[in-house]
Amino acid sequence: GAGVSQSPSNKVTEKGKDVELRCDPISGHTALYWYRQSLGQGLEFLIYFQGNSAPDKSGLPSDRFSAERTGGSVSTLTIQRTQQEDSAVYLCASSRRLAGVAGELFFGEGSRLTVL
Amino acid sequence: ELKVEQNPLFLSMQEGKNYTIYCNYSTTSDRLYWYRQDPGKSLESLFVLLSNGAVKQEGRLMASLDTKARLSTLHITAAVHDLSATYFCAVDSRGTSYGKLTFGQGTILTVHP
Repeated sequence: GAGVSQSPSNKVTEKGKDVELRCDPISGHTALYWYRQSLGQGLEFLIYFQGNSAPDKSGLPSDRFSAERTGGSVSTLTIQRTQQEDSAVYLCASSRRLAGVAGELFFGEGSRLTVL
Repeated sequence: ELKVEQNPLFLSMQEGKNYTIYCNYSTTSDRLYWYRQDPGKSLESLFVLLSNGAVKQEGRLMASLDTKARLSTLHITAAVHDLSATYFCAVDSRGTSYGKLTFGQGTILTVHP
């Protein structure tokens, strides 16, 4: 598609369950980001992938959160043993890189996670 | 730690009026973004400001960047209802510039007749 695609758009889960959120970036974009948007914390950076480089995981809030990017394209964000405070909208973004610098970030529609 | 602060956080405007949203940030940066978000929707990129003194305009919106003052402004001219949304500024710290953005709290703009 033309834009960043995320799935599922909505996910309701019980506390303690694991969830996986998927992101398909814009074709040709080498950089991929995960952000989280919640009422209490606003918009927060989670993790960044660029090509084959080691990801920047500095924004992940706990070791229950992990992400991978396969084949330099699709990414999956996994949250293990979900807690109620994980409830948020998880946004994926992608961008080109020119001369080592990120271009404009394009965001997907997000995956709304509700942990009961 | 980079901090980004917007003000006002809530803005109620009459159609036809002008107003400015301010975005202050705490450390040196040479890259600033403005985004718009409609309820239940994702972030729509409005402007990317790359250097001191940069000014960009699109329709009734104009954004500027003063890196010395660590300040960006988003000016709204002759507001219309369609501009009602939440506006975020975001800063990409110098030295990284790879899209690791720190966002402001957002300004909820409501334009009424």
